Amino acid sequence: ETGVTQTPRHLVMGMTNKKSLKCEQHLGHNAMYWYKQSAKKPLELMFVYNFKEQTENNSVPSRFSPECPNSSHLFLHLHTLQPEDSALYLCASSQDQAGSGYTFGSGTRLTVV
Amino acid sequence: SQKIEQNSEALNIQEGKTATLTCNYTNYSPAYLQWYRQDPGRGPVFLLLIRENEKEKRKERLKVTFDTTLKQSLFHITASQPADSATYLCALNTGTASKLTFGTGTRLQVTL
Repeated sequence: ETGVTQTPRHLVMGMTNKKSLKCEQHLGHNAMYWYKQSAKKPLELMFVYNFKEQTENNSVPSRFSPECPNSSHLFLHLHTLQPEDSALYLCASSQDQAGSGYTFGSGTRLTVV
Repeated sequence: SQKIEQNSEALNIQEGKTATLTCNYTNYSPAYLQWYRQDPGRGPVFLLLIRENEKEKRKERLKVTFDTTLKQSLFHITASQPADSATYLCALNTGTASKLTFGTGTRLQVTL
């Protein structure tokens, strides 16, 4: 365990479903992130939260909706996804100060059918 | 926007040799550069960070260099072992202090 826990580990959903990914950290970090990782592509930053305020939305389609109720929890709500959204979704946290490494969760492997 | 290139998609070396991975970037020099290790089906794990005013950083068998003139970082693993086999990712901060952009990674395979 890295200190960042993601659930579920695997998720298969239909294009009309609504599901949520959950991320939790108890490292005392102030910043949390959602990244998407597809095969042969670099990690793509989706959203950034600092002190539970969203500071970055990297042109992510509205079918992805983040929620950060407090500094320790981060959600990614999914609805009406497309097959090309199938990927590994990674949550990370950091101290949000220059030079602090990220701590990643193990990710959620999402398959959209 | 910042573009990051890691020298090759895959690198195969023999156990005991030194593995050298390259990370090149375009545009402006970042304040710092990080290296991560990623195993299949897992999230990346932070290894080392080097700042723009540092030339070299070491941690056990790992060494990172940072050349802002060449816009390049080299990542070395000395006395490599099969357990070092993984994908290694280079990441740079982009503007906002804690916002990182990642390269596609180099898959290292260490054979006996």
